[in-house]
Parts: sequence; structure tokens; C-alpha cells
Amino acid sequence: DAGVIQSPRHEVTEMGQEVTLRCKPISGHNSLFWYRQTMMRGLELLIYFNNNVPIDDSGMPEDRFSAKMPNASFSTLKIQPSEPRDSAVYFCASSLVGSPSYTFGSGTRLTVV
Amino acid sequence: KNEVEQSPQNLTAQEGEFITINCSYSVGISALHWLQQHPGGGIVSLFMLSSGKKKHGRLIATINIQEKHSSLHITASHPRDSAVYICAGATTDKLIFGTGTRLQVFP
Repeated sequence: DAGVIQSPRHEVTEMGQEVTLRCKPISGHNSLFWYRQTMMRGLELLIYFNNNVPIDDSGMPEDRFSAKMPNASFSTLKIQPSEPRDSAVYFCASSLVGSPSYTFGSGTRLTVV
Repeated sequence: KNEVEQSPQNLTAQEGEFITINCSYSVGISALHWLQQHPGGGIVSLFMLSSGKKKHGRLIATINIQEKHSSLHITASHPRDSAVYICAGATTDKLIFGTGTRLQVFP
């Protein structure tokens, strides 16, 4: 298995632009998590899905952030419009529901200028 | 409330030293992860523990369920061990992260 695949690895965009981050979980995993990592706040859970259904989105900072999981093998995190304070590394992770074992993607480093 | 507390926040060592990073956690956490992140790098899972002790090379992780405490040990530390080490507790549905320990090992 290629692991959790995130794209792009790096994204630089101008303030106000729409940004879409993508994640392919490990085949067979049915739980998917989006995290944001910054120097100030460390790793924060933004949202997670079980069986493609959003379970807890209380970590999504504001309405500019949205996440979808249209099928078991793909999820997106969208920021519209982006702001400089959204600059961070965004990680995706997957697991089996109820399992304590997680696999992380390599992350997307987002810079909003 | 589920919590994970990690110490120290920063740690410096000379090459060859024995290193210990500690993690305490609250009720509701069924397993403990130790994660490693090199500067600018991704997150690598080193260990997942629900009891006892695990060893991989120079890394050893232990957990005491009664005391709700886990430790990560690095023997014969090396500059390439310089990274952030993160303790994370697994609840039934998600991970709760510690604040991380930034380790620097000098030659």
C-alpha cells in the first residue's frame, strides 16, 4: 500500500484565492481525519469522517473552510477565500473506525501571501 | 476531558546520551502513540502502545496503564535523532495530541 497520499505537497497562493487540498486514505480504512499544524497551536483536529460521513467538524475554524468525502478513497479540504493566517501544514490521516492505529500522510504545506 | 501532557517541551543532548521523554494521559485513552517529525517533514508513527514495552533499534517505549504514563527512551542518541517527538492518545474515535518535545542532539 502506498500509504495516505496527499496533494499537493506545497501550495503557495494569494490571499482571496480558493485552495483545495486532497487526500487519498489507505485502501480499506473507513475513518479519515484532517489536521492543521502551526507553530503556535501544534496539531489541531479540523474534521473527521467515518464511512464518508462527517462526524465532528467542531475544529473547522470558520465558514471559509469546508471538507467533503464523496467516496471511500478521496477527500478534499477547501478554503475559500484563503487568508494569510491559514498558512500551515495540513495533514490527513486514516484508520479503521474504532482502531487506535493511524497512518498519516506527508502533509500539504500551504502558504497564503 | 481527555488530555495528554508531555514533558519536557525542549530537550538538548550531546551525542551518545540517553534521552527520556514523558507523557501523561487522562481516562478514556485506550492506546498511546509516539510520533516523530523532522523539521519540515511529515509525521512518522514510531510506536503504538496499549500495554508493556516496545523496542525498535535504539528507541524504547513503555507504558504504565495504572499510572497513565508513558515514556519514550532513546539510547546512544545521535544528531539524526533531532526532531519533534509527539505523544498522542487514542480515544474511541480520535487522537488527542501532546504539545510535542523538540529534541536537539549535538555532535
